[in-house]
Amino acid sequence: KTQVEQSPQSLVVRQGENCVLQCNYSVTPDNHLRWFKQDTGKGLVSLTVLVDQKDKTSNGRYSATLDKDAKHSTLHITATLLDDTATYICVVGDRGSALGRLHFGAGTQLIVIP
Amino acid sequence: DMKVTQMPRYLIKRMGENVLLECGQDMSHETMYWYRQDPGLGLQLIYISYDVDSNSEGDIPKGYRVSRKKREHFSLILDSAKTNQTSVYFCASSLRREGQNTLYFGAGTRLSVL
Repeated sequence: KTQVEQSPQSLVVRQGENCVLQCNYSVTPDNHLRWFKQDTGKGLVSLTVLVDQKDKTSNGRYSATLDKDAKHSTLHITATLLDDTATYICVVGDRGSALGRLHFGAGTQLIVIP
Repeated sequence: DMKVTQMPRYLIKRMGENVLLECGQDMSHETMYWYRQDPGLGLQLIYISYDVDSNSEGDIPKGYRVSRKKREHFSLILDSAKTNQTSVYFCASSLRREGQNTLYFGAGTRLSVL
């Protein structure tokens, strides 16, 4: 059973527009949540990590929120660039150490067009 | 320079052949992982290694084995490859300490078993 659901599956936006990606999960316990960016044919690169019950982070044009009560996270990308074209993957960790398990979503494919 | 290197990047094998995927990291990370990524699915953990000769099965270990004789090197072996092992394989590494450790991913090996 999939424990991390991402929506939408794919999204097309015009350069300069903002977009919001969603992540809903059922993982318990939910120690932390991380967003990764995966360029086509490349590995995953960490964008941000959220830890607190209600958390917010900001990393340049990327900002994220986490609500552990709702088991829901969002990734906001502001003023998108062509280089933002990638798959964005939500990952929930059930522990804070390497002894825990990571639960991966299938990703949202974002395409930014000129 | 923090890096996870996977070799080869692309591999085509016939069913029944043996396959060796190699992964190296230059960060002295204790923990290393092998994942596979299939379309529409989140990354699935095959094996995790907590240090030299300290390996544990992940969620889908059947048909795979691993070897870790040096901290910086982690191999994935497929004895008698099957067509359903066609996938993209990712190696990752992280520190073992408590906390929300960042995973560093390699660029992946795209394996086709014919």
